[in-house]
Amino acid sequence: DAKTTQPTSMDCAEGRAANLPCNHSTISGNEYVYWYRQIHSQGPQYIIHGLKNNETNEMASLIITEDRKSSTLILPHATLRDTAVYYCIVREGYGGSQGNLIFGKGTKLSVKP
Amino acid sequence: DTGVSQDPRHKITKRGQNVTFRCDPISEHNRLYWYRQTLGQGPEFLTYFQNEAQLEKSRLLSDRFSAERPKGSFSTLEIQRTEQGDSAMYLCASTWGVTHNEQFFGPGTRLTVL
Repeated sequence: DAKTTQPTSMDCAEGRAANLPCNHSTISGNEYVYWYRQIHSQGPQYIIHGLKNNETNEMASLIITEDRKSSTLILPHATLRDTAVYYCIVREGYGGSQGNLIFGKGTKLSVKP
Repeated sequence: DTGVSQDPRHKITKRGQNVTFRCDPISEHNRLYWYRQTLGQGPEFLTYFQNEAQLEKSRLLSDRFSAERPKGSFSTLEIQRTEQGDSAMYLCASTWGVTHNEQFFGPGTRLTVL
């Protein structure tokens, strides 16, 4: 089962920041937080991942709370093309694990004009 | 386009028929994963390969399912005696190494069993 809890759906106005929350209260010390998204009729797409520090890349920012029990994915200026299902995933980072991703149902983000 | 291709993109078959799907990963990727996704759900892990070795199979992978990755390149997923419950999107993903590298997903094969 997925180790994360996300809201089922969210709306965001085009051009505004989209803040997608995720709870992962049972995360262990060697587990990372990953975010993927899936645009309709496409395969999932990697966005970002982090362990405990905040991370930023060209797509998004990831804010992880100090106790690591929750995180927020931030899309700074949402566009209509960001409409998708966003998945928050917790998994081990290194070795030992086969590395498969365990997806929940994700958050359906609708960006509106 | 992630560089991972899957063929066919759509497959309609009758119950009881066999079907085979193909995945071509990014060439330098040594790990290849198969997932299944039903409507309204996130993808579910089926099996994975490291090079040509199949190292893990989910309990979702019944004995009607078989996967291969000859020579550690492309992979095939075969479903024998299809059932209506097999209707789903079948996704392939590839990555490299053994650490937390991102997985690159193909566009999927949508299977409809009538």
